[in-house]
Amino acid sequence: ETGVTQTPRHLVMGMTNKKSLKCEQHLGHNAMYWYKQSAKKPLELMFVYNFKEQTENNSVPSRFSPECPNSSHLFLHLHTLQPEDSALYLCASSQELTSVETQYFGPGTRLLVL
Amino acid sequence: QKEVEQDPGPLSVPEGAIVSLNCTYSNSAFQYFMWYRQYSRKGPELLMYTYSSGNKEDGRFTAQVDKSSKYISLFIRDSQPSDSATYLCAMNTGFQKLVFGTGTRLLVSP
Repeated sequence: ETGVTQTPRHLVMGMTNKKSLKCEQHLGHNAMYWYKQSAKKPLELMFVYNFKEQTENNSVPSRFSPECPNSSHLFLHLHTLQPEDSALYLCASSQELTSVETQYFGPGTRLLVL
Repeated sequence: QKEVEQDPGPLSVPEGAIVSLNCTYSNSAFQYFMWYRQYSRKGPELLMYTYSSGNKEDGRFTAQVDKSSKYISLFIRDSQPSDSATYLCAMNTGFQKLVFGTGTRLLVSP
């Protein structure tokens, strides 16, 4: 595997379910990001991790809970989501945290909340 | 006012046409400007990266930044059906998070 991978690629869940999204980067990068992409809206930065430490939480509701056990893996734990949370969730990584560094994106997880 | 404005399209052109994609922005502190291409069911991939004003060319693609007008452009020459995708502009000051446009959907017909 190369680049940034995400699993699952598609997820349908009810509002009472608990699920997790997984991201793995094979680039040796130190910074990882979660973004939300909704139709006709700009990418919204959700969380930033640098060397496993969370450096930014962009006012994300607590029903989204990130976890970064090491610099290569990033999780997004989901619970009691709302239908408006349906979107494409993208993971990205960059060599360093300074945002002039190129961010490499995974293919995303398409989430549908019923 | 949004920090970055981008026409969502879709923009439909015939194969071989010159395509112009544009973004305007309001924050004069932006110094770094990027264009990402996103195919359907894929994540965005960096296409062009420019610092400050000026032009940058890479094959059929030219990125142009006019900081005085707060306007950036991406030109695609000899467009191909394989260029059909959504093009996202992104920018930042160099010390903060990337700010993205909504993306412009481009359709190049054979």
